[in-house]
Amino acid sequence: EPEVTQTPSHQVTQMGQEVILRCVPISNHLYFYWYRQILGQKVEFLVSFYNNEISEKSEIFDDQFSVERPDGSNFTLKIRSTKLEDSAMYFCASQGEGTDTQYFGPGTRLTVL
Amino acid sequence: GNSVTQMEGPVTLSEEAFLTINCTYTATGYPSLFWYVQYPGEGLQLLLKATKADDKGSNKGFEATYRKETTSFHLEKGSVQVSDSAVYFCALSDRIGGSYIPTFGRGTSLIVHP
Repeated sequence: EPEVTQTPSHQVTQMGQEVILRCVPISNHLYFYWYRQILGQKVEFLVSFYNNEISEKSEIFDDQFSVERPDGSNFTLKIRSTKLEDSAMYFCASQGEGTDTQYFGPGTRLTVL
Repeated sequence: GNSVTQMEGPVTLSEEAFLTINCTYTATGYPSLFWYVQYPGEGLQLLLKATKADDKGSNKGFEATYRKETTSFHLEKGSVQVSDSAVYFCALSDRIGGSYIPTFGRGTSLIVHP
């Protein structure tokens, strides 16, 4: 069964450093999403992406964040200058045309020291 | 705006007990409703969904019925197993612009003892 994959599974970085989180969505899906989950809290929407541009974004998704689909398979989330409060699990999800069901990846645990 | 409220956890049960996890929602439109499960150290997995009023979603012995009149989508299972221990998230999905943006509840941790 097709699945969403994410790399790395765990990323440790120093405050102020840039990180890139990578996702490979399900191949025929057209909508892509990033979410974050701070430890013990709810899953929060960050951004949605369709047709090579951002469709929607939340107030969390400020100028420090960017997304890109650099080729036909990868979907990346970049955090330019990480802060301690960026420590969280980051989930990627993808969704096919004509459905509202999203399929989630296993997540990347980001730890900012 | 949209919101989802789940019962506080953790819910602790013995194996073969009956499970109910309550979920109520507030939405302006006619959203689809979902339950996701998160096993320890893993991502979110879709457990079941319902797209309109009175629909019943079911999977792996879990069920939930979309109740528009009570704005609820309670998760039930007749006989839980130790392997069901996980965090369960109720969510609604509403179309915003061109995207379906889900709103998640805070999650309810289920612990099943042998």
